[in-house]
Amino acid sequence: GENVEQHPSTLSVQEGDSAVIKCTYSDSASNYFPWYKQELGKRPQLIIDIRSNVGEKKDQRIAVTLNKTAKHFSLHITETQPEDSAVYFCAASNQAGTALIFGKGTTLSVSS
Amino acid sequence: KAGVTQTPRYLIKTRGQQVTLSCSPISGHRSVSWYQQTPGQGLQFLFEYFSETQRNKGNFPGRFSGRQFSNSRSEMNVSTLELGDSALYLCASSLDGTPHNEQFFGPGTRLTVL
Repeated sequence: GENVEQHPSTLSVQEGDSAVIKCTYSDSASNYFPWYKQELGKRPQLIIDIRSNVGEKKDQRIAVTLNKTAKHFSLHITETQPEDSAVYFCAASNQAGTALIFGKGTTLSVSS
Repeated sequence: KAGVTQTPRYLIKTRGQQVTLSCSPISGHRSVSWYQQTPGQGLQFLFEYFSETQRNKGNFPGRFSGRQFSNSRSEMNVSTLELGDSALYLCASSLDGTPHNEQFFGPGTRLTVL
């Protein structure tokens, strides 16, 4: 079945550094790739997404890149701040486009 | 608009019992998906409902079931509870469940099985 691998599982950076989280997916029919941020004790919230007809998308300090040939996509956070500390999940749509398959998450810690 | 709501927020059950969790989507949303979240396993897809029909199902045993009502509210049921069923159960709603529309998550129901 569909599978999404996410790395690393934990990431610690200093404030101001960049952070990169990488995901690979198995279903070549996937065409939607969202990223969710989950702060401690809160619900996951969408922070950025990308569709298969786009290679890169940027929103302020956050960017996502997609390589459909290699079936991997990445989240880039620049100038990290302590409030970026959270668990980040990548996801890929299933073949029918009606379900999201999530990676296992990356715990990002930004120290000041 | 009010966000996605889930009831109850916390639940403690013993092995062998069954449990029903409820999810009320954002008004106008017709798709509801359910996920199980456990430490180290991330968000695992359970099933998705649209217009009272289950369209997708994840790799969970038949003890996990769900349904959706005509007002789009959804329930999931877990029968014969096992210790490993302890988790945060999240539901998410979207307009139609397609990638064109964002999924919005509820706060979750924390289930503890003793």
